[in-house]
Amino acid sequence: QSVLTQPPSVSGAPGQRVTISCSGSSSNIGAGYDVHWYQQLPGTAPKLLIYGNSNRPSGVPDRFSASKSGTSASLAITGLQAEDEADFFCQSYDSRLSGSAFGGGTKVTVL
Amino acid sequence: QVQLVQSGAEVKKPGASVKVSCKASGYTFTTYNIHWLRQAPGQGFQWMGIIDPRGGDTRHAQKFQGRVTMTSDSSTNTVYMELSSLKSDDTAVYYCARPGVWGLITYFDHWGQGTLVTVSS
Repeated sequence: QSVLTQPPSVSGAPGQRVTISCSGSSSNIGAGYDVHWYQQLPGTAPKLLIYGNSNRPSGVPDRFSASKSGTSASLAITGLQAEDEADFFCQSYDSRLSGSAFGGGTKVTVL
Repeated sequence: QVQLVQSGAEVKKPGASVKVSCKASGYTFTTYNIHWLRQAPGQGFQWMGIIDPRGGDTRHAQKFQGRVTMTSDSSTNTVYMELSSLKSDDTAVYYCARPGVWGLITYFDHWGQGTLVTVSS
């Protein structure tokens, strides 16, 4: 059971916008710790997509955006493309764990 | 460019130990700590611990108390993670990761390729 809660799957047609939620608690997101997002293609290591709630590393398209409010965060993908099919994970620090906590992951399917 | 290269897949019997290596290159080894995480099949990630390669100080998740040992060798820019008393639910892909900022409250901008550890009798 993951500390952060994500929907198992979301889907959308090419060109559409999809959002992925990440729900936490007062020991992680709600405590003010930053949220980070990763994209994982099958059989590969995760790739950092968003850090510090809303910052994109160099090379990440601006189709990917994220925000945080209260005890939750969300990732949005606009202009959905076939290459976006992957698993997406949120991550934050958790004071009860004294370490990083992750969501269970959301599979994005492009219809 | 920053690279973390891990050792190959392992198959172990319950009760055995496994030691995974992670060789860093492309940056000054002692300027970033290294975290270890794992991902069970079809699951999210579980943070295991952190090692400071400057002096070998470590911290680990309570879940792995007494079972995990992390070490570093600055002569070869390599960190190691050993997990003992293996159980079937330790079957997972184990990753080393370099954080974006020093410390526990961070994100991970460079990852090893992962090492599959299978625990089976």
